[in-house]
Amino acid sequence: GESVGLHLPTLSVQEGDNSIINCAYSNSASDYFIWYKQESGKGPQFIIDIRSNMDKRQGQRVTVLLNKTVKHLSLQIAATQPGDSAVYFCAENAGGTSYGKLTFGQGTILTVHP
Amino acid sequence: NAGVTQTPKFQVLKTGQSMTLQCAQDMNHEYMSWYRQDPGMGLRLIHYSVGAGITDQGEVPNGYNVSRSTTEDFPLRLLSAAPSQTSVYFCASSYRQPDTQYFGPGTRLTVL
Repeated sequence: GESVGLHLPTLSVQEGDNSIINCAYSNSASDYFIWYKQESGKGPQFIIDIRSNMDKRQGQRVTVLLNKTVKHLSLQIAATQPGDSAVYFCAENAGGTSYGKLTFGQGTILTVHP
Repeated sequence: NAGVTQTPKFQVLKTGQSMTLQCAQDMNHEYMSWYRQDPGMGLRLIHYSVGAGITDQGEVPNGYNVSRSTTEDFPLRLLSAAPSQTSVYFCASSYRQPDTQYFGPGTRLTVL
């Protein structure tokens, strides 16, 4: 079965608010995680990644937090803008014999209202 | 750089027909992969390649073949199309694995 993000939740926020998108994973051997953004009719676009030896990583307006104890990943978007409206996917790489294979969650739909 | 390109953008097939989805990248990436995306679902890995001449199966390989004769190209072949293969297909590449994968724009395939 799916090992990452079993549900397709939705998140609706107002422009300027901070957004938090969550993702659960089940494979404790996963050592690399990526967040992707997918706009309608387009391919996924890389946002930020984090390796398992880190708890937090920051980019431009985005922060990824990794909690290996509870196998949870989150994406925080600061000052959310209408252009951030998209489906957000988390993905994991299990390493070892699964090296190179990314497993994607089902995604979260983010809608930003002006 | 053009990045990752895919052709065609749209395709309609009849059950039993065969076809090849093309994928090319000009970033000299070693790692390439094919995913399918069904409505309301994330991407599922079909096949991947860690370099020219090397391919391996992903999560849902049945009904698909791949080859990697050059670093740049990674075509996906549907041997005998079935309605269950109706989906959007994405090709991706990365410099090394695991690493940031860059995705193409996708091919929307309908099998009647």
